[in-house]
Amino acid sequence: KQEVTQIPAALSVPEGENLVLNCSFTDSAIYNLQWFRQDPGKGLTSLLLIQSSQREQTSGRLNASLDKSSGRSTLYIAASQPGDSATYLCAVRENRDDKIIFGKGTRLHILP
Amino acid sequence: GAVVSQHPSWVICKSGTSVKIECRSLDFQATTMFWYRQFPKQSLMLMATSNEGSKATYEQGVEKDKFLINHASLTLSTLTVTSAHPEDSSFYICSALAGGHYPNEQFFGPGTRLTVL
Repeated sequence: KQEVTQIPAALSVPEGENLVLNCSFTDSAIYNLQWFRQDPGKGLTSLLLIQSSQREQTSGRLNASLDKSSGRSTLYIAASQPGDSATYLCAVRENRDDKIIFGKGTRLHILP
Repeated sequence: GAVVSQHPSWVICKSGTSVKIECRSLDFQATTMFWYRQFPKQSLMLMATSNEGSKATYEQGVEKDKFLINHASLTLSTLTVTSAHPEDSSFYICSALAGGHYPNEQFFGPGTRLTVL
């Protein structure tokens, strides 16, 4: 059974710092991996989607890497801003038509 | 990206009543939609997979008679929480599986917050 784990559960860093969020999954046979952002009481915003054949994706200050063989992904946020404060969710899909399995998220707080 | 809407965005109801939540894919057709539930400070957990024109597939531990799912068209799936109780209070989010320009990508609705008094 696929399980997704995110470390740390919560993180507070001063504005301007670069930071890394970690995600691990137990079964390396995935279709894709996705990082989402969720603001309190709100829905999900997709940040980056990495197909199983890819190793990384970049969007602005965000970079996500995927090491499928070791079951790990990292989300790198450069030059953090207070507006980056949110919960970041890592999720994997095992098959093309299958459900998405979420980690519990990392609650990020950027200190002004 | 493709857009998925949910209605209502929030609802408060009395214990014992039924609540219907709609999930619509606005600019694409979705043969498959998913319903997730999120309790406070927890992650999203899949409740059921909804396929157009057929019965939904429920995850283990989810009561199919309590959470009725209808996927009557390629753009609409509904989740009805029957005889709601306070423990059903949660954030319900749907997603729709797209094709076309976004092959096999899932797009999420904004969620519906249900509070049962």
